Amino acid sequence: EPEVTQTPSHQVTQMGQEVILRCVPISNHLYFYWYRQILGQKVEFLVSFYNNEISEKSEIFDDQFSVERPDGSNFTLKIRSTKLEDSAMYFCASSDGVAGGDTQYFGPGTRLTVL
Amino acid sequence: RKEVEQDPGPFNVPEGATVAFNCTYSNSASQSFFWYRQDCRKEPKLLMSVYSSGNEDGRFTAQLNRASQYISLLIRDSKLSDSATYLCVVNGLLNDMRFGAGTRLTVKP
Repeated sequence: EPEVTQTPSHQVTQMGQEVILRCVPISNHLYFYWYRQILGQKVEFLVSFYNNEISEKSEIFDDQFSVERPDGSNFTLKIRSTKLEDSAMYFCASSDGVAGGDTQYFGPGTRLTVL
Repeated sequence: RKEVEQDPGPFNVPEGATVAFNCTYSNSASQSFFWYRQDCRKEPKLLMSVYSSGNEDGRFTAQLNRASQYISLLIRDSKLSDSATYLCVVNGLLNDMRFGAGTRLTVKP
């Protein structure tokens, strides 16, 4: 069964450093997403991406965040200057874009720890 | 008012019990609805979509009431493997899914 993959599984970084989280969505999917989950809290939507541009973003997704589809398979989330409060699990998801009841499939997540 | 609100739980039930989870959402323009389950420190996994007509998948039954903006999940004959956090999820027009905080279920022998 096709699945979303993410690398690395765990990233530790110093405050102020840039990090890039990588995702390989399911191959025939057209919509890509990033979510985050701070430990003990709910899953929060960050951004959705379609046709090489952002289609929706939340209030969390400020100027320090960016997304990119650098090639035909990868989808990345960049955090420019990490803060302590960016420590969280980051989930990538993808969907095939079928209208109405579109189902998103999640990757296993990258645990980001900012020291 | 929270976008998606769920029973806080936790629910601790014996094997074989029937358990019901409730959820309400605030945005009447929401397009689609789901229940996901999340095991500890793992990704959310789709349990089932929720339709206005109600739908059933084995021991699981989901209901949606658009007028009341209410979603429910019923688990019958609960198993130890049902122990997880159940997430009510509401999808907007642009597929920006909004999650509830989740309800933790523990099924005990």
